[in-house]
Amino acid sequence: DAKTTQPPSMDCAEGRAANLPCNHSTISGNEYVYWYRQIHSQGPQYIIHGLKNNETNEMASLIITEDRKSSTLILPHATLRDTAVYYCIVRVADNYGQNFVFGPGTRLSVLP
Amino acid sequence: DAGVIQSPRHEVTEMGQEVTLRCKPISGHDYLFWYRQTMMRGLELLIYFNNNVPIDDSGMPEDRFSAKMPNASFSTLKIQPSEPRDSAVYFCASSLVAKTQYFGPGTRLLVL
Repeated sequence: DAKTTQPPSMDCAEGRAANLPCNHSTISGNEYVYWYRQIHSQGPQYIIHGLKNNETNEMASLIITEDRKSSTLILPHATLRDTAVYYCIVRVADNYGQNFVFGPGTRLSVLP
Repeated sequence: DAGVIQSPRHEVTEMGQEVTLRCKPISGHDYLFWYRQTMMRGLELLIYFNNNVPIDDSGMPEDRFSAKMPNASFSTLKIQPSEPRDSAVYFCASSLVAKTQYFGPGTRLLVL
């Protein structure tokens, strides 16, 4: 079973920041938070991951709360091409048995 | 790097026929994963390999499904005999040391 909870859908205006929340209240100390997205008809695409510090890369920023029970993925300037299903996943980074469990994710619609 | 390569991209076959899906992981990656995605069940892990050895095949639906990895640059997923309920998109992913997984474009299988 997925260990995360995400809203099923969200809308965002083009050019605005998209903030996608994720709850992972049972996260363990050695589990990372990963974000993937899947654009229609394509394979899931890695976005970002983090343990407890906030992370930023060329695609997005990841904000993890101090208690690590929730996080937010931020797309700073959403474009129409960011319309996709976004998956939040928690897992141990170096694991031998546990794997990515994809829940239903959040369907983000970027509107013109 | 070319990324994970899958072939064929689309496959239409008749019930009872054998189907073979192929995957070339990213060069240097030591983990390879096979997933299946359907509307009803979402994205499910079928099997994964480490250094060409199958580690966990508990997600393989039944004996009709088999997977092999004869070398570090090639894997197959075979369905024999195929059934209409096997219709899905099959993704292959690879990673280095069980960390971030990178997905291929998928094979869309339709069994009539």
